[in-house]
Amino acid sequence: AQKITQTQPGMFVQEKEAVTLDCTYDTSDPSYGLFWYKQPSSGEMIFLIYQGSYDQQNATEGRYSLNFQKARKSANLVISASQLGDSAMYFCAMREMNTGNQFYFGTGTSLTVIP
Amino acid sequence: ETGVTQTPRHLVMGMTNKKSLKCEQHLGHNAMYWYKQSAKKPLELMFVYNFKEQTENNSVPSRFSPECPNSSHLFLHLHTLQPEDSALYLCASSQGETSMWAAEAFFGQGTRLTVV
Repeated sequence: AQKITQTQPGMFVQEKEAVTLDCTYDTSDPSYGLFWYKQPSSGEMIFLIYQGSYDQQNATEGRYSLNFQKARKSANLVISASQLGDSAMYFCAMREMNTGNQFYFGTGTSLTVIP
Repeated sequence: ETGVTQTPRHLVMGMTNKKSLKCEQHLGHNAMYWYKQSAKKPLELMFVYNFKEQTENNSVPSRFSPECPNSSHLFLHLHTLQPEDSALYLCASSQGETSMWAAEAFFGQGTRLTVV
């Protein structure tokens, strides 16, 4: 079974609008972390935001926020006030305590911001 | 400045060549990773090193040979590659202790490899 599922291969958003990128995960480990990364065309993976399984509140980092719904095993990334520079691939990832060093990545969502 | 540096950024090699990719981190991390990213495919984990010991080898062909001489450096030695090995190779590092499952991975900028 896939550990991380991203069902949106491509998304479009108007500049200055908000957009939600979906991510669902599968784990039986009660201790895990969820991560979002941005990969521009240059190739580098840039860490955006983290949510821990025990965190009571949704994580926020500037224009990025994570809509964490533990019972539904979803960790959607919300980007507010989209900018042209947000156009990139976005990857959701998970790390579990029991598997330690292993990071599980989704297939990614390509976001295009339209001027 | 990402903290994780990969060299070279681009590499073109013939199928009979031998080359090496280098990754260096000065973040004090003890886990290092090699990932392969092919066009329109998800990231594939190749190797994981924790405290210089290899802990994961995801059925990677022997034409890829990793080396981790210390916690700051990671190499990927390449020999007799195939055209289908052309891809972006990403190195990453993170805190590796069991208690650090909440720590993010930091990535280098990648080496774009073309095998001709």
